[in-house]
Formats: sequence, C-alpha cells, structure tokens
Amino acid sequence: EVQLVESGGGLVQPGGSLRLSCAASGFTFSSYAMNWVRQAPGKGLEWVSAISGSGDSTYYADSVKGRFTISRDNSKNTLYLQMNSLRAEDTAVYYCAKDRVAGIGDAFDIWGLGTMVTVSS
Amino acid sequence: DIQMTQSPSTLSASVGDRVTITCRASQSISNWLAWYQQKPGKAPKLLIYKASSLESGVPSRFSGSGSGTEFTLTISSLQPDDFASYYCQQYNTYPWTFGQGTKVEIK
Repeated sequence: EVQLVESGGGLVQPGGSLRLSCAASGFTFSSYAMNWVRQAPGKGLEWVSAISGSGDSTYYADSVKGRFTISRDNSKNTLYLQMNSLRAEDTAVYYCAKDRVAGIGDAFDIWGLGTMVTVSS
Repeated sequence: DIQMTQSPSTLSASVGDRVTITCRASQSISNWLAWYQQKPGKAPKLLIYKASSLESGVPSRFSGSGSGTEFTLTISSLQPDDFASYYCQQYNTYPWTFGQGTKVEIK
C-alpha cells in the first residue's frame, strides 16, 4: 500500500526552528518528486515546496523562501522540511504529497495525514 | 505567480443536483490543472488531473473540462458523500498555486 506518514510537528516559539519528516512506503520513492502543502486553521491549501526525485532541484513558495529547506534521503525513503525563523503565520497542518507520475511537475495523487505546526509564544 | 480564482466560494445544493464549480487562471496554464476534494479533518483527495482526466477510483459523476484559463468541475448528480470542499490547482509553472476553495453545503 502506498503510504506517507508525516511527523515532527508541534508547538514552537516565534523565531524558532522545526524539522518535519515524511516517511514513504509502497512505491519507488526516488522516482517521484515530492511536495509539502500546508493549510492554516480554517483556510485553504497552500503549496510550500517541491523537490525532484534525485533531490537536485528544489522549489519554494515566496512566503517561505530563505526560511524553509526541503530535502530528501532516498536511502531512507524520507522527505524533510527544515523550517527556520518561524512566524505565527506558519501555523498550519503540513501535508507531504507525492507527484502522480515519475519525473517532476504533476498533480498530487497520494497525501499524508498531516502534522500540525503551531507557532506561538 | 499564477493566481487561481474559484467561484463560487460556497454553494448550497441538494442531493441529485448538478453542480458546477469554476476555476480561472490569471494566465494560460494549458491543461495542467487538478481538482481535489477535502473533507473536514482529512487530507485532500485527487479527483481530476490534466483538466479532464478522472483519477482511478473516482466516481464517474465527477468530470472536468477546460483549457487555457477557464476550467470547470462538474458533479452530475450530487451524492451525500460529495458535501465537502473542492480546490483547483495549477501545475504549469512554479510556484504551484491553489484556488481559494469552494465549499459545497447541503441546501
């Protein structure tokens, strides 16, 4: 079964850091681009970042560029999101999501259950 | 960045109704558009990709159409399980962007 499981969320103070992880199973992880998408409480979906299957190419939303870093360890089938200089507006459920087809740049066919990040003093 | 605008924001409908949601892109995205369904407290679910291709396992009452800047998601006969929020997303140009969502409520 294809599955994504996020972890690492929690409560952090403004200006703090957090690293999210997404463990993948049931597919050839290294063949697929992966994404992070977030959803603030009561709000819509916001794409955050993407990374190619090899990890050579990364992309970011303007709202997180320079503060967040996406990475992956294909030997561990795990996706990461390092979040620094966190702000209250980063409070959200963070989902990892898999591209539908191998390569890069497609719709997201598999989503994790999400992990909640709360930035508050 | 490409802006995606959905309408309406909220839609009240009854079981059996035909429902149409519109998504407009601020510039041409060819057919690189997806539609997702999301229920409260759950992760989004892919319904339609490449504007009109039905994802495996999705009921055939869902359909998508359009290209360029204008797209629609149609539910031919609304079922109780379809009351949810729906989002369009462009994946033509980074940064990928979502519409603001359409909530389909029971009338």
